[in-house]
Amino acid sequence: DIQMTQSPSSLSASVGDRVTITCRASQSIGTYLNWYQQKPGKAPKLLIYAASSLQSGVPSGFSASGSGTHFTLTISSLQPEDFATYFCQQGYSTPYTFGQGTRLEIK
Amino acid sequence: EVQLVESGGGLVKPGGSLRLSCAASGFTFSSYTMNWVRQAPGRGLEWVSSIIISSTSIYYADSVKGRFTISRDNAKNSLYLQMNSLRAEDTAVYYCARVEEGYNWNDRYYYGMDVWGQGTTVTVSS
Repeated sequence: DIQMTQSPSSLSASVGDRVTITCRASQSIGTYLNWYQQKPGKAPKLLIYAASSLQSGVPSGFSASGSGTHFTLTISSLQPEDFATYFCQQGYSTPYTFGQGTRLEIK
Repeated sequence: EVQLVESGGGLVKPGGSLRLSCAASGFTFSSYTMNWVRQAPGRGLEWVSSIIISSTSIYYADSVKGRFTISRDNAKNSLYLQMNSLRAEDTAVYYCARVEEGYNWNDRYYYGMDVWGQGTTVTVSS
């Protein structure tokens, strides 16, 4: 199975900050990497697919890059609604594993 | 409106069974691979199972293989998860989610799970 490891596990930041979350795969997954945002009590929301493509309707303040085993999600200027938990997920092969999540909290 | 609505969750004793359903609307259900993803209380997301458009390819996480069965009825725009021999560790919110995947010539694409249901809670406890 492909292991997905996110860092950091939690992050405190302020509105307006630029933040970056990292996701590493235990083997190369090309660009079969997706990012999701989840708020408490809600279903996850797809932000980024295929490593760097912004899902329709997602604000342009979100961006992502990477390929192979190293991926990043960047929020250029944190908005109040961005405080949530973020997950990466590989779609390279089953089982389609998720990272453990990064909890983004208000400082 | 594009929508997925899960149902069928509840409280069940260890060793018991449940059947989850997911009703799709607002899109061409038969054009998408469908998935079940679960989230145990306070935990992360765990992919459970996938079924492709034609139901000819089905995949399971090792943790549920041999106990859970995914199926779909494209005529009814519905996805199902039959869960048998339930264990305490199966306690979770279960989400259905669609994913657009396929091949452009020989290049496979997988565009992530872009539509999710609201989830249905399964509690396994005596």
